[in-house]
Amino acid sequence: GNSVTQMEGPVTLSEEAFLTINCTYTATGYPSLFWYVQYPGEGLQLLLKATKADDKGSNKGFEATYRKETTSFHLEKGSVQVSDSAVYFCASINSGGSNYKLTFGKGTLLTVNP
Amino acid sequence: KAGVTQTPRYLIKTRGQQVTLSCSPISGHRSVSWYQQTPGQGLQFLFEYFSETQRNKGNFPGRFSGRQFSNSRSEMNVSTLELGDSALYLCASSFEGGGYTFGSGTRLTVV
Repeated sequence: GNSVTQMEGPVTLSEEAFLTINCTYTATGYPSLFWYVQYPGEGLQLLLKATKADDKGSNKGFEATYRKETTSFHLEKGSVQVSDSAVYFCASINSGGSNYKLTFGKGTLLTVNP
Repeated sequence: KAGVTQTPRYLIKTRGQQVTLSCSPISGHRSVSWYQQTPGQGLQFLFEYFSETQRNKGNFPGRFSGRQFSNSRSEMNVSTLELGDSALYLCASSFEGGGYTFGSGTRLTVV
C-alpha cells in the first residue's frame, strides 16, 4: 500500500525565516499529493495539492513540487509568520482516488517565534 | 457554502458504552470518509462511503462501524468502548474525484 514519510519535528523558526518540511512517498502508480495544516483544536485544512509529476501546488506563500524522480513533495515557504505555527501533514491518495483513502505522514509541528 | 459539520464536538464516555458520531458533508458531496487521530498512531483511515455504500474500510476491529444515509449524512458507531478509543475523529467529504474537506472533528474521551 501507499506510505508517506515526513520529517519529524518539532521545527522552531524565527519570523521571516525560510521553511522546508520534507515529504517522501511510496505508492503504486502515480498518486495525488497533498499538504494539510492543522491549527490547535481544529480539523485539517487543505493547504495545497498536486496531481501529477512536475505539478507545483501553491497557496498562502507555501509551495510544493511533485517530484516523481525523487518521490518527494517537500513543503517550502520563503518567509514564515507567527500565524503559520501549526501541524503540517503530507498525504497521498491513489491516482483517481481508486481506493478512496488518504494516507498521511505523522505530521510536523512548526512553531514560529516573533 | 457550509463546510463539513461534525457533532458533537466533545464527548466523554465510560468504558463499555457505545457512541455515535455524526457528520454532515458539504452540499453536493456524496463521498464521506472517517479518520481517527491519536498522538501515537497519527491519522488512520476508518472507512469511506459513497451513495450509502461502503467502498473501503481500514484496519479497525468490528466494534467500529458506519453508515451513510440517502442525504449523504454519515454516522459512525463505536461499541464497547475502550480507553484506547480516545481520539479525535475526523470526517471528510469529497465531490467524486475532487479534494477532501475535513470537519473540525469530534473529540472522544473514554474514562
